[in-house]
Amino acid sequence: GESVGLHLPTLSVQEGDNSIINCAYSNSASDYFIWYKQESGKGPQFIIDIRSNMDKRQGQRVTVLLNKTVKHLSLQIAATQPGDSAVYFCAENRGGSNYKLTFGKGTLLTVNP
Amino acid sequence: DTGVSQDPRHKITKRGQNVTFRCDPISEHNRLYWYRQTLGQGPEFLTYFQNEAQLEKSRLLSDRFSAERPKGSFSTLEIQRTEQGDSAMYLCASSLAGVGFVEYFGPGTRLTVL
Repeated sequence: GESVGLHLPTLSVQEGDNSIINCAYSNSASDYFIWYKQESGKGPQFIIDIRSNMDKRQGQRVTVLLNKTVKHLSLQIAATQPGDSAVYFCAENRGGSNYKLTFGKGTLLTVNP
Repeated sequence: DTGVSQDPRHKITKRGQNVTFRCDPISEHNRLYWYRQTLGQGPEFLTYFQNEAQLEKSRLLSDRFSAERPKGSFSTLEIQRTEQGDSAMYLCASSLAGVGFVEYFGPGTRLTVL
């Protein structure tokens, strides 16, 4: 079925390195994508979003890239810090009157000091 | 703190009991969503409200589940005759119609059915 998925379930990086978390989606009708961060025992926290008419968007230490040709989304975190350790989910909104989000399984990011 | 709040944060119950969870959205948000999350998985959509109207329900929401948002503000999710398979984190989120699709999540209610 159509779904949002992730290439890697876990990612381990050294503090100060850049992190790249990838996500593949299969629904070409999806027009809006969101990255969430979820720490243990907490609800997902919004990080950054991007519309399908964009290919890049930057926030504070984070950049989201969207490649519609291959239906691929990535989250780049610059100068990764121990506080960035969490599970990261990409979520898609499939547009129209469909307001719910469809989430992938998530990538566990571990930042080693 | 003006974020989404949920109560209780943890609930342990015995199989067959009924449980009710409450969600208070961000005050000006007119859309409210319920999701369920099991260990190692992303949140799965259950239902959503715009104001007091329940506009969509997932097939995950069996007839043992019912959600309400009587005055278009807080919402409750009730599970009747709980089963062990209902053990999960129940997340509530809210958003403001017409302002993108970002949903802001609460801390969740962790349900354990013994």
